[in-house]
Amino acid sequence: AQSVTQLGSHVSVSEGALVLLRCNYSSSVPPYLFWYVQYPNQGLQLLLKYTTGATLVKGINGFEAEFKKSETSFHLTKPSAHMSDAAEYFCAVSEGGKSTFGDGTTLTVKP
Amino acid sequence: DAMVIQNPRYQVTQFGKPVTLSCSQTLNHNVMYWYQQKSSQAPKLLFHYYDKDFNNEADTPDNFQSRRPNTSFCFLDIRSPGLGDAAMYLCATMGWRSGGAYTGELFFGEGSRLTVL
Repeated sequence: AQSVTQLGSHVSVSEGALVLLRCNYSSSVPPYLFWYVQYPNQGLQLLLKYTTGATLVKGINGFEAEFKKSETSFHLTKPSAHMSDAAEYFCAVSEGGKSTFGDGTTLTVKP
Repeated sequence: DAMVIQNPRYQVTQFGKPVTLSCSQTLNHNVMYWYQQKSSQAPKLLFHYYDKDFNNEADTPDNFQSRRPNTSFCFLDIRSPGLGDAAMYLCATMGWRSGGAYTGELFFGEGSRLTVL
């Protein structure tokens, strides 16, 4: 069985500050890991993904995440927050065509 | 651009009045999913199709049904909506990579927000 835990349901940062959203997973097989972003009244959009290969993956809008097998983590970071980054972020693990989502983290960016 | 399109974006219905939500895709993906998402929660999988093979989640109420007449289209029918069914309904697709494995990446539509009066 697979599961995802996102630490912190709400994260608030100042514009220009580092963004760090935490995600820990469990999976019985080598995981496929994803971060999705959701803006109000919209569907989810892929930010980045890890399947195999390089453990540091880069995504859209300046986000990146590092897969750490020993820590079972896939934390999302961005060096400098922008007002447009305010949204809901979901970490997900996928196995055999089934995706399991974390509960989400709401990112607020203060001017 | 290839995409997943949901209609309508907003649906208002009365308690007990049947509703149908539609989803179409131009990605030619063989897997299609329906999720229910309530405010500030993660998407909850209702069911999915692998081609025409229907897979229902164990805790999906009987009130929810689905049809997939062809690869491109999928419908969600709510037979008798209750107040608790007010939510965003998300359609998503997933592709199949060469060599025989799911890609794992979900492509979502914009969602259909259902209001029940």
